[in-house]
Amino acid sequence: KAGVTQTPRYLIKTRGQQVTLSCSPISGHRSVSWYQQTPGQGLQFLFEYFSETQRNKGNFPGRFSGRQFSNSRSEMNVSTLELGDSALYLCASSLVRGNSLYEQYFGPGTRLTVT
Amino acid sequence: TQLLEQSPQFLSIQEGENLTVYCNSSSVFSSLQWYRQEPGEGPVLLVTVVTGGEVKKLKRLTFQFGDARKDSSLHITAAQPGDTGLYLCAAQDSGGGADGLTFGKGTHLIIQP
Repeated sequence: KAGVTQTPRYLIKTRGQQVTLSCSPISGHRSVSWYQQTPGQGLQFLFEYFSETQRNKGNFPGRFSGRQFSNSRSEMNVSTLELGDSALYLCASSLVRGNSLYEQYFGPGTRLTVT
Repeated sequence: TQLLEQSPQFLSIQEGENLTVYCNSSSVFSSLQWYRQEPGEGPVLLVTVVTGGEVKKLKRLTFQFGDARKDSSLHITAAQPGDTGLYLCAAQDSGGGADGLTFGKGTHLIIQP
């Protein structure tokens, strides 16, 4: 079974631009979560989608948004990029929902650099 | 949102040595997971522990969940260079809600040949 895929793997953008990242979950997984990873803050939860609906959102500004399609693929968008948005953006898919066993399977991430 | 404290933050040891890393919180977890992340890759799930006092073994790795479900440890026996990586613990709160996992900042482990 193929793992979680993320595209692109690397991206360089300029301050003020916007960016869209894509994630394809493991087949059969309907929950997709997004995380931002930086050396200083570690892994921080952005949001989670299940059945095309955002179930929960972390403590990030409204410039960060996402969506999920009917095939469970997900995209996240960051508008008006800032230097501090430079990070590894990780997508994770999960099979179970509303269960205490919230095992997540991560993709390789998209390394975003904002200059 | 619970805070997960991992210690030590950095650890560098020689091949063949044993080590233990810790994950602690003041909150009770419904479940806790350990992940390993290598440079340029996403975290890979190693184990999930659910029951207080639970011990799970994965080859040379032993995972323990505290009796009160507030802490966990990972012990590696006879460490090998392939064990090098960032070890992350993650937990879901005891409410079992829809929140994403909360991650600790991890332990950077280097095993020198």
